[in-house]
Amino acid sequence: KAGVTQTPRYLIKTRGQQVTLSCSPISGHRSVSWYQQTPGQGLQFLFEYFSETQRNKGNFPGRFSGRQFSNSRSEMNVSTLELGDSALYLCASSQGGSQETQYFGPGTRLLVL
Amino acid sequence: QQQVKQSPQSLIVQKGGISIINCAYENTAFDYFPWYQQFPGKGPALLIAIRPDVSEKKEGRFTISFNKSAKQFSLHIMDSQPGDSATYFCAASMGTYNFNKFYFGSGTKLNVKP
Repeated sequence: KAGVTQTPRYLIKTRGQQVTLSCSPISGHRSVSWYQQTPGQGLQFLFEYFSETQRNKGNFPGRFSGRQFSNSRSEMNVSTLELGDSALYLCASSQGGSQETQYFGPGTRLLVL
Repeated sequence: QQQVKQSPQSLIVQKGGISIINCAYENTAFDYFPWYQQFPGKGPALLIAIRPDVSEKKEGRFTISFNKSAKQFSLHIMDSQPGDSATYFCAASMGTYNFNKFYFGSGTKLNVKP
């Protein structure tokens, strides 16, 4: 089975711009979660989608949003980028239950200048 | 505010030695504690997990020790190998109603010297 794929792998944006990141889960997985990884902070939960519905969210501002499509692929969007948004954004998929093993993709490295 | 505190930030161990990484939490609603291993350029991968109804879980060279009263848990890597050099994250989640929302520690970068 193919693993979780994320595109693009690297992005450079400037402050004020917006960005869209994409995640394709493992085939058959219906839950997709997004995390922001920064040095010293570890991974911080952004949100989780299941069956095209957000069923959990972390403590991030409304500039961070996401969606999930009927094929379980997910996108996250960050509007009005700030320097502090520079991070590795990780997507994880699981079958769709609770407290499941999260299968992470390699991440998208975002640099905001 | 970090819900799960992890230490040390970095760790150097000689080949064959024991690596110990510690995590602490405050929220007693946490009931599932996984550990993830991350290699450079890769996403984290589940290593081992424990629930608070047991005090220890062992899988090969990896052991989780859990102290419910102290609200602490730790990862022990026995006979550490250079291939174990990676960043390790502890995590916690609270209840099945929170689905897959995990709180991660800040990570420990382990370097095993040959």
